[in-house]
Amino acid sequence: GESVGLHLPTLSVQEGDNSIINCAYSNSASDYFIWYKQESGKGPQFIIDIRSNMDKRQGQRVTVLLNKTVKHLSLQIAATQPGDSAVYFCAENPNTGNQFYFGTGTSLTVIP
Amino acid sequence: DAGITQSPRHKVTETGTPVTLRCHQTENHRYMYWYRQDPGHGLRLIHYSYGVKDTDKGEVSDGYSVSRSKTEDFLLTLESATSSQTSVYFCAISESPGVFEKLFFGSGTQLSVL
Repeated sequence: GESVGLHLPTLSVQEGDNSIINCAYSNSASDYFIWYKQESGKGPQFIIDIRSNMDKRQGQRVTVLLNKTVKHLSLQIAATQPGDSAVYFCAENPNTGNQFYFGTGTSLTVIP
Repeated sequence: DAGITQSPRHKVTETGTPVTLRCHQTENHRYMYWYRQDPGHGLRLIHYSYGVKDTDKGEVSDGYSVSRSKTEDFLLTLESATSSQTSVYFCAISESPGVFEKLFFGSGTQLSVL
């Protein structure tokens, strides 16, 4: 999974399969997390968020899981489509003001 | 992109020249941010604003200044551009400073300093 400072990991999945993208966050005091999708040449797009008092949250075709014990966040995409091909990264808010900390991202490629 | 417009979208400049990037929002959000995105790094905060004429530094503020004279506009200035400032710059907005406030981004400005 991604973490600050690592080279961009990649994930290739077949169209229709489920995708799981992982993120290891750094601060055990972080209260809020966001997953973003970034397509080539575009800005980050909000996908889904989760607060630290939850361990799972579902959206449309996406689910975010939070494991505070091991400081791990995952994004699951159901029935992955070619339009899901992008870089996905997580952001954590350690509740120290306006600062979000961002992971470097995972590049997802969907194979038709 | 959540009513955020960045200009220019692309800019090529020479070392030592001043450069100003503009962010314009139509959401009337109080908080605005400038981030830079570089390979191998997550987005890093340069400066942010919590109201008209109210700004503060982020983690990578050296070599940058900002101004906010209107709620909708947030300017980022490189007084004397250097090659290390070649990057993609993103503007972001949030409605309030709360921990659980979502952050929305513009489309970015690709800046190349030669």
